[in-house]
Amino acid sequence: AQKVTQAQTEISVVEKEDVTLDCVYETRDTTYYLFWYKQPPSGELVFLIRRNSFDEQNEISGRYSWNFQKSTSSFNFTITASQVVDSAVYFCALLGGYGGATNKLIFGTGTLLAVQP
Amino acid sequence: DAGVIQSPRHEVTEMGQEVTLRCKPISGHNSLFWYRQTMMRGLELLIYFNNNVPIDDSGMPEDRFSAKMPNASFSTLKIQPSEPRDSAVYFCASSLEAGVGGELFFGEGSRLTVL
Repeated sequence: AQKVTQAQTEISVVEKEDVTLDCVYETRDTTYYLFWYKQPPSGELVFLIRRNSFDEQNEISGRYSWNFQKSTSSFNFTITASQVVDSAVYFCALLGGYGGATNKLIFGTGTLLAVQP
Repeated sequence: DAGVIQSPRHEVTEMGQEVTLRCKPISGHNSLFWYRQTMMRGLELLIYFNNNVPIDDSGMPEDRFSAKMPNASFSTLKIQPSEPRDSAVYFCASSLEAGVGGELFFGEGSRLTVL
């Protein structure tokens, strides 16, 4: 079975603090993909990043960085120097079943990040 | 370039009525997904299509729900008869090569309220 766990339901920080959102996944597939999506208060789901299971290199994009560790089945997301505009619900998601007809993007329950001015 | 287009954005209806939600995927994408989002259950995959063919509908709650994709540029999700517990935001998403990790692009959602 595939599962994504985001244990942090809600995080509140003050602007300019760094914050890390945790994501732990379960899958039996050897090839899979991990994603992060952002859902701002307006409600749309915005794609942030995709990682495949063979690429454990950490990635940095501006104030965002991602730490993928297969040994702990984690794909954590860090926002450096948070801003009020970062306030949103962040979802981690897993796509497994590589190449087959059973591909499903399974989402975690999301972490609500509130950045206070 | 237009993204995934969903209609209606908001729908308020009474219990027992038929509801039809519509989706136009991004041109050229070959996979289409319907998700439902509620506070209690989060984001749930209802059904997805590859090349207009339903591949997995195991997430469809019950027979009151049905989805079709008559061509590559249009899909519908129908609820008949609707019930208050169907109230949710329904998202449509499309992807190019979802099978090899292509990201899903989501529409803005259709917020359904069943009274």
